[in-house]
Amino acid sequence: GENVEQHPSTLSVQEGDSAVIKCTYSDSASNYFPWYKQELGKGPQLIIDIRSNVGEKKDQRIAVTLNKTAKHFSLHITETQPEDSAVYFCAAPLYSGGGADGLTFGKGTHLIIQP
Amino acid sequence: GAGVSQSPSNKVTEKGKDVELRCDPISGHTALYWYRQSLGQGLEFLIYFQGNSAPDKSGLPSDRFSAERTGGSVSTLTIQRTQQEDSAVYLCASSLETGSTEAFFGQGTRLTVV
Repeated sequence: GENVEQHPSTLSVQEGDSAVIKCTYSDSASNYFPWYKQELGKGPQLIIDIRSNVGEKKDQRIAVTLNKTAKHFSLHITETQPEDSAVYFCAAPLYSGGGADGLTFGKGTHLIIQP
Repeated sequence: GAGVSQSPSNKVTEKGKDVELRCDPISGHTALYWYRQSLGQGLEFLIYFQGNSAPDKSGLPSDRFSAERTGGSVSTLTIQRTQQEDSAVYLCASSLETGSTEAFFGQGTRLTVV
């Protein structure tokens, strides 16, 4: 099955600055990479995802980049705001090639936006 | 419903007792997933359902854990003879279909075994 590594575990940035969270994966056949945001006491919420046929995707202040050769993908948040403070998780399919389903998650990054 | 609903939101139980956690997926979603999130950790995949069928149960931590889904809708996760290490947040998610499609999560059930 897939293995996903995420870093850093904690990231503190000044409000208005950019934040970057990085993940690596092990299975070169993986084709779907979502990012989830989890606020305290709530379930994770999908904020952006990317499929292996593109290298970058943007949605307002957030973007995700994918490097298939190096098997890593990153979340970029620009012009950070206090409401961006949360735990962010990257994920990849548990198994490639069909059959079983579900996601395997990184251990999360606690993003802290300093006022 | 508007989103994935889980109940109860919190459950405190004594070691050795059985507990049942419930998940109501988004209407029309055929795929349903259970995950476990321990304190400060990522999400651990437990099991998924496509309709009422669970093709892969290998993610369940032990034979004390079981899950079922009836009518292609509501799912229950049952933990028998609970142990302290079972304490965690149990999250349910659903998606329109299996494969690489968006999974919507419920708010979770926080289980505390004392």
